[in-house]
Amino acid sequence: QLQLQESGPCLVKSSETLSLTCTASGGSISSNSFYWGWLRQPPGKGLEWIGHIYYSGSTYCNPSLKSRVIISVDTSKNQFSLKLSSVTAADTAVYYCARVLRGSYSYYMDVWGKGTTVTVSS
Amino acid sequence: SYELTQPPSVSVSPGQTARILCSGHKLGNKYAFWYQQKAGQSPVLVIYQDTKRPSGIPERFSGSNSGNTATLTINGTQVMDEADYYCQAWDSNTGGVFGGGTKLTVL
Repeated sequence: QLQLQESGPCLVKSSETLSLTCTASGGSISSNSFYWGWLRQPPGKGLEWIGHIYYSGSTYCNPSLKSRVIISVDTSKNQFSLKLSSVTAADTAVYYCARVLRGSYSYYMDVWGKGTTVTVSS
Repeated sequence: SYELTQPPSVSVSPGQTARILCSGHKLGNKYAFWYQQKAGQSPVLVIYQDTKRPSGIPERFSGSNSGNTATLTINGTQVMDEADYYCQAWDSNTGGVFGGGTKLTVL
């Protein structure tokens, strides 16, 4: 059964770049049936879709974050990664990686990692 | 940009039916998805493509979507169903959109 695990620094300084990696086990990132996504949830708030990537490298990014986001995939390590640049306190959140399915004119998540809390400090 | 609106909270007594609404412009023309998030845990998909239940989700969870409103219905609500529930849709311009979440209280 697929499991996803986020890893990376829990504390990032303001204006620097947040970098997270998601490692998949029990399934292959290279599957042509799935995409791989990043989402976040600020403390006490709702969910936000950051973006997702296909094993071939094609990506989608939330238009509101697109200028600061890079999502990449490393199939040899069964990992995908998120880089968010120029962070501010507003980027403090629990960051989740997830498996993304493509339906008819839609995308949605069916497997989620446990999430990792990232705090942006000044 | 596309937006989804949910009521902040819904309360129900154990054994009763809970209905959580999600509204958006012509939402019925899109697919709606629902996630359950219990305190301190990751979200769990409970309904996909309006009405379908993933494997392992109890039959008491059902969904519908028409017009501008999608509805998550929980029949015979149990205390274990107490959680935050988020609707989600995909918009061709905005991308992945979530509602603000509804806190379901079972008491």
